[in-house]
Amino acid sequence: EPEVTQTPSHQVTQMGQEVILRCVPISNHLYFYWYRQILGQKVEFLVSFYNNEISEKSEIFDDQFSVERPDGSNFTLKIRSTKLEDSAMYFCATKGDRSPLHFGNGTRLTVT
Amino acid sequence: ILNVEQSPQSLHVQEGDSTNFTCSFPSSNFYALHWYRWETAKSPEALFVMTLNGDEKKKGRISATLNTKEGYSYLYIKGSQPEDSATYLCAFLHNAGNMLTFGGGTRLMVKP
Repeated sequence: EPEVTQTPSHQVTQMGQEVILRCVPISNHLYFYWYRQILGQKVEFLVSFYNNEISEKSEIFDDQFSVERPDGSNFTLKIRSTKLEDSAMYFCATKGDRSPLHFGNGTRLTVT
Repeated sequence: ILNVEQSPQSLHVQEGDSTNFTCSFPSSNFYALHWYRWETAKSPEALFVMTLNGDEKKKGRISATLNTKEGYSYLYIKGSQPEDSATYLCAFLHNAGNMLTFGGGTRLMVKP
């Protein structure tokens, strides 16, 4: 069965550094999402992306965050200047029309 | 902010017990309700996508019902097994967009 692939599985970075989290969606999926879960808290929506542009974003997704599909396949989440509170598990998810989300295995981001 | 609540937060049952838990969500602007199963160290996996009031879905020993007028869904597990131990997440999709809002999850632990 096709899978959503995320890299890296674990990223450790220093506060203030930029990080890029990568996701390879399932090939015929049209909708792309980033979610995150801070340890012990709910899964939180960050952003959705459709037709090469952001369709919705949450309050969490401020100017420090950006998403893009640089080569038409990879879907990336960039955090420009990481803060301690950005430490979380970041999940990419993709879906076709009217289908459930397919999640990647996540990237654990640790900001020190 | 959309309020999606799940109860209980955690549940311990004995192998063979049947159990159920609840997801409540806004009753207006309903589009779909998703259930996901999230095992430790894995990514969330879709169980059901429910769209119609009165929907009942079944997958093996797991089933779910939906009441969109009052804004709740029940997930039932018949004859729980240790491999059912996981966090069960519901997610609400309203008709104004494609952002899924997740509940906090119910963590189920089944003792052999």
